[in-house]
Amino acid sequence: DSGVTQTPKHLITATGQRVTLRCSPRSGDLSVYWYQQSLDQGLQFLIQYYNGEERAKGNILERFSAQQFPDLHSELNLSSLELGDSALYFCASRPAGSYEQYFGPGTRLTVT
Amino acid sequence: DQQVKQNSPSLSVQEGRISILNCDYTNSMFDYFLWYKKYPAEGPTFLISISSIKDKNEDGRFTVFLNKSAKHLSLHIVPSQPGDSAVYFCAASGANSKLTFGKGITLSVRP
Repeated sequence: DSGVTQTPKHLITATGQRVTLRCSPRSGDLSVYWYQQSLDQGLQFLIQYYNGEERAKGNILERFSAQQFPDLHSELNLSSLELGDSALYFCASRPAGSYEQYFGPGTRLTVT
Repeated sequence: DQQVKQNSPSLSVQEGRISILNCDYTNSMFDYFLWYKKYPAEGPTFLISISSIKDKNEDGRFTVFLNKSAKHLSLHIVPSQPGDSAVYFCAASGANSKLTFGKGITLSVRP
């Protein structure tokens, strides 16, 4: 158990809909990262938050947004969903002064 | 443009033998490298890492080697065990500590 929790574990929704994925980092970790893993792809960095502020953006679509709340949990919002958005979405947190990131179990999103 | 490459999609080895997993990178700004192990339906688990100022790091059965001039790193598992069967991802850390991952290699250890 990495200490990072993600909900829900599975999500099935229709095209055009909007969903919210939730992540709680390890206790004490201020940095949260979101990654997407599509079929046959490695993990693609989406966005990073540090103590409530956006720090870096990767290949994140404009239809996607995220935020980190004062209690440090983070949410990834995906809107106007398309079939190609079906993927595993992972959240990771990183302790200060460390390079290692610790991953949650992921949310499997299926868009039908 | 894929900055971290794991060119072999799969590797099969006999239990007790050495497993060597390779990884190449193109960005010379990467300063830290990590290996993650992933089982189906679980998130990646951190395995071992190496700083760009070192050429070797060892942790039990796992050793990572870094050749900066060749932009190549490898993970050695000795001896390999059936429980090591999983997908292994190589990752590199750059600006903002974001990780750039390879596509992974599926390791199968035969009993």
